[in-house]
Amino acid sequence: AQSVTQLDSHVSVSEGTPVLLRCNYSSSYSPSLFWYVQHPNKGLQLLLKYTSAATLVKGINGFEAEFKKSETSFHLTKPSAHMSDAAEYFCVVSDLVGANNLFFGTGTRLTVIP
Amino acid sequence: DTAVSQTPKYLVTQMGNDKSIKCEQNLGHDTMYWYKQDSKKFLKIMFSYNNKELIINETVPNRFSPKSPDKAHLNLHINSLELGDSAVYFCASSLSPSTDTQYFGPGTRLTVL
Repeated sequence: AQSVTQLDSHVSVSEGTPVLLRCNYSSSYSPSLFWYVQHPNKGLQLLLKYTSAATLVKGINGFEAEFKKSETSFHLTKPSAHMSDAAEYFCVVSDLVGANNLFFGTGTRLTVIP
Repeated sequence: DTAVSQTPKYLVTQMGNDKSIKCEQNLGHDTMYWYKQDSKKFLKIMFSYNNKELIINETVPNRFSPKSPDKAHLNLHINSLELGDSAVYFCASSLSPSTDTQYFGPGTRLTVL
């Protein structure tokens, strides 16, 4: 069975400093992994996805994530936080056995301090 | 150029009422989904339809009835609304059931009083 654990419910960084949002997954198969972002009162937007190609995945807005099978992790990073990055971030694993199904983590709220 | 759209964006209603949320996608996708996001921001899949046929039905009260008149639309009808139904409901679509990338609508915030 698939599951996702986001280790921090809230992360606070200063503008211009690095961002690290942690995610660990559990999957019986070769997973597809995603990060989605939800800005306040907005829908979900796909940031990036991993589907068994390159382990370092680059997404939009300068974000990237590295798939580490040995650590079952898919942490999201960005070298320098911007005020507009303040949002809720969801790590997601895909179950491709049978019908498609996304399993969402509980989310990490990123606050960026000016 | 809206890809996945939902109406209404906000819905406030009394307990016991019946309400519908509409979803449309113009991406030409075959598969559509409904998710519920609770107050703690956790998203859980409710239903999935592929080409108008139900393929995923998680443990959801039968007061919730999805309807897919065509593959571009997946509407959610809720009977006898309860306080616990208050949440944000997201519609999503993907090219096929085996395509892992899903595109989400803006969400409908349902408040039951």
